[in-house]
This record gives sequence, structure tokens and C-alpha cells, in this order.
Amino acid sequence: ETGVTQTPRHLVMGMTNKKSLKCEQHLGHNAMYWYKQSAKKPLELMFVYNFKEQTENNSVPSRFSPECPNSSHLFLHLHTLQPEDSALYLCASSLTGHTEAFFGQGTRLTVV
Amino acid sequence: KNEVEQSPQNLTAQEGEFITINCSYSVGISALHWLQQHPGGGIVSLFMLSSGKKKHGRLIATINIQEKHSSLHITASHPRDSAVYICAVGAAGNKLTFGGGTRVLVKP
Repeated sequence: ETGVTQTPRHLVMGMTNKKSLKCEQHLGHNAMYWYKQSAKKPLELMFVYNFKEQTENNSVPSRFSPECPNSSHLFLHLHTLQPEDSALYLCASSLTGHTEAFFGQGTRLTVV
Repeated sequence: KNEVEQSPQNLTAQEGEFITINCSYSVGISALHWLQQHPGGGIVSLFMLSSGKKKHGRLIATINIQEKHSSLHITASHPRDSAVYICAVGAAGNKLTFGGGTRVLVKP
């Protein structure tokens, strides 16, 4: 248990659906991250938030829309995804952008 | 060529053996991370280091900044150490670039 909770753990969605992934931490961290892990590929950084402000968008398609309403919560809104977007989506948080990151268990997303 | 290369990609050891995983990187970094990923996907941060050596239980991580190389050692390996070990480097804080991982299987 790392203190970073992701829901749901598994999600199957159609290409026309809209869904959201949720990440929550009560560690007092000020930086939160979304990462993507596709099959047989290294983890990739998607988004970084510091103090609720987005500071990094790693050329992520607009069908992925992050939201950080406060320092404890991070969402990833999904719409009109493609089957190749099927992957494990991991959230992480850290006290600052330069300290150790704590990862959630991930959401395994399947787009059909 | 990836900016972060790990070797080996797969490793099988007998319980009790000493295991070494290597990570080489090609960019300047502020810190290097070693992560452990168990089946099911959850990731645990093992070490964050920017110089020298760190030890936690049976795990030891070393880094040579000049050579852009780090190693993760597992002493007296145990089947519960079976996991994927991932090296990640941060050029600017936690904007991490990840290696492809090393899948470790420790047999009883």
C-alpha cells in the first residue's frame, strides 16, 4: 500500500464511450502524474501537475483530458479512444517535483 | 535507441543467488530511480539516488554518474523477489524516462 489509490482497477470501454480514471492521495504531496504502460513498451509520462497546475503534457492526444481539482485528486477523462489506447494507466504523486514518487496500482484499460 | 537501457531483459535465478541488474542512460540526470512492478501492475519505488550507493534490506543500488550507469543488486534472492525491475531517470525532477524493465524470476 503506497498511499496512492486508483479507481477503477479494471475498465473496459467502447470507442464511443466517455469514462474517467481517478487517482487519490492523502500523503500531502503537491505533484501528481499520469503514466501509460502499453504492452511490451516502457512506461511513458503523460501529464504532470504541480500544485494543481499542469506543468507537462508529453504530446498526449486530446482524447485524454486530465483534471486536477486539488492537490489530492487527479482525474484522466477519456473519450473516443482507440483500441491502441488499451494499456495500464498509472498515477503517481510526490511531495515535490524532485522527490521520490509513489505509484498507484494502476487502471488496466481495454478499449473495444 | 532508448535513452535508458536495461540488461538483462530477463533473468532466472535460484533462491539464494546474488542478482545484478544493470541500467545505462545517455542523458544528464538529476536522479535515477529503481522501481519494482509486481504482476497486476502496481509499482513500488525502491530507490532514488543521485550518487554513490544505497542499501535497503537485501537490495543495494549503486550509481556511477561519470559512466552514466547504475546497478541494482539483490542479495540472497527469494521467490518473492520475482517481479519486473524498472530503471528510470529524471533529467528534470520527476519527468521520468523509463527503461524497458528486467523480468526477474527466482525459483525455489
